[in-house]
Amino acid sequence: DAKTTQPPSMDCAEGRAANLPCNHSTISGNEYVYWYRQIHSQGPQYIIHGLKNNETNEMASLIITEDRKSSTLILPHATLRDTAVYYCIVRAPRGETSGSRLTFGEGTQLTVNP
Amino acid sequence: EPEVTQTPSHQVTQMGQEVILRCVPISNHLYFYWYRQILGQKVEFLVSFYNNEISEKSEIFDDQFSVERPDGSNFTLKIRSTKLEDSAMYFCASRADFSRVFFGQGTRLTVV
Repeated sequence: DAKTTQPPSMDCAEGRAANLPCNHSTISGNEYVYWYRQIHSQGPQYIIHGLKNNETNEMASLIITEDRKSSTLILPHATLRDTAVYYCIVRAPRGETSGSRLTFGEGTQLTVNP
Repeated sequence: EPEVTQTPSHQVTQMGQEVILRCVPISNHLYFYWYRQILGQKVEFLVSFYNNEISEKSEIFDDQFSVERPDGSNFTLKIRSTKLEDSAMYFCASRADFSRVFFGQGTRLTVV
């Protein structure tokens, strides 16, 4: 799976959009970009994933550049409860017999301030 | 939303003792995982399980570890002889397809 690079920390004001960047310059054509977050040692929580098109769900939007070498997770109206470590993970879909582990890096510690 | 359930939330055990961590994955899921996170460190993959056998394991998952799906609902991680360095949060996870992995809230294992 391709390596990802994220800033170690970011701050955001409550109610504003949080834009979390991720670089994945060695991404392969069949690899997806996934975002998970972990709130204070709780289990990681899936946020969103995409291949090449921008994606939006009830939690966030994912913007992937045309060359797919980087992406941005957008939390449109950050709240205090969005304070967490955000992980960008690049992974190819695996066959049924393969485990398809998630490899977590250090992530970005997002702190939402009142 | 469906949940992965882990019990107990906190387990304290003496060094050298066997411990079993329990998980109930989401009912229609077919792929099961254990991850761990030592305090202040990254979440690390331990093992994946599919079709009643281990499909992948990390170098951490040595002979002291084993996994089992004893019935249609539970998925367990056994550590045969715990060491101090096994102290960590252990997360169970499951998925139905390759898109989304659901994690439990974890069991905090403290080895004393």
